[in-house]
Amino acid sequence: GQQLNQSPQSMFIQEGEDVSMNCTSSSIFNTWLWYKQDPGEGPVLLIALYKAGELTSNGRLTAQFGITRKDSFLNISASIPSDVGIYFCAGQRSDSWGKLQFGAGTQVVVTP
Amino acid sequence: GAVVSQHPSRVICKSGTSVKIECRSLDFQATTMFWYRQFPKQSLMLMATSNEGSKATYEQGVEKDKFLINHASLTLSTLTVTSAHPEDSSFYICSASYQFEKLFFGSGTQLSVL
Repeated sequence: GQQLNQSPQSMFIQEGEDVSMNCTSSSIFNTWLWYKQDPGEGPVLLIALYKAGELTSNGRLTAQFGITRKDSFLNISASIPSDVGIYFCAGQRSDSWGKLQFGAGTQVVVTP
Repeated sequence: GAVVSQHPSRVICKSGTSVKIECRSLDFQATTMFWYRQFPKQSLMLMATSNEGSKATYEQGVEKDKFLINHASLTLSTLTVTSAHPEDSSFYICSASYQFEKLFFGSGTQLSVL
């Protein structure tokens, strides 16, 4: 399947800084999901977005579902060392429930 | 919360052998399970959709005779990699659907074919 365009590919930040990443697609999705994956583990859901324009927070994480339904961003505020990992966006179409298309991932490295 | 268990977590096998990976939903009935493959430093790619009591549907480019999927019960789906070769070495991950509202991922299986 075609991947979503996720950027940046990697980020090296200092503890306390904010992190922002985004995903764009040529296709419309009815659901955007953001996951974090640690090495050797399956992805863990961070935030799910179901409506265009929706802005949702989960602790220090904030994500938005773009108005055009073709993009989404994830912000992490005041990063801490345990934020290290790979973050993936995933989109789901209305006619393909459960079938997720994943972005290429953003590797986040947090230095003390 | 719902838990999806995947077993084994790691497997090393010789080229030409077959490997079976199990995906179990521990506290819910999953009518649909999905199998993904992830190569090193790459994203997850959907391989197939597994429906309980019916044949799996495969994504374009995935060989159904090589990747056999069985979903015999509402809590178990298995993926068998037949006649495995080194290029099949990958991280295989399942997800399970709960009432068409939520998806839960397993912890993955790292397959290494020598």
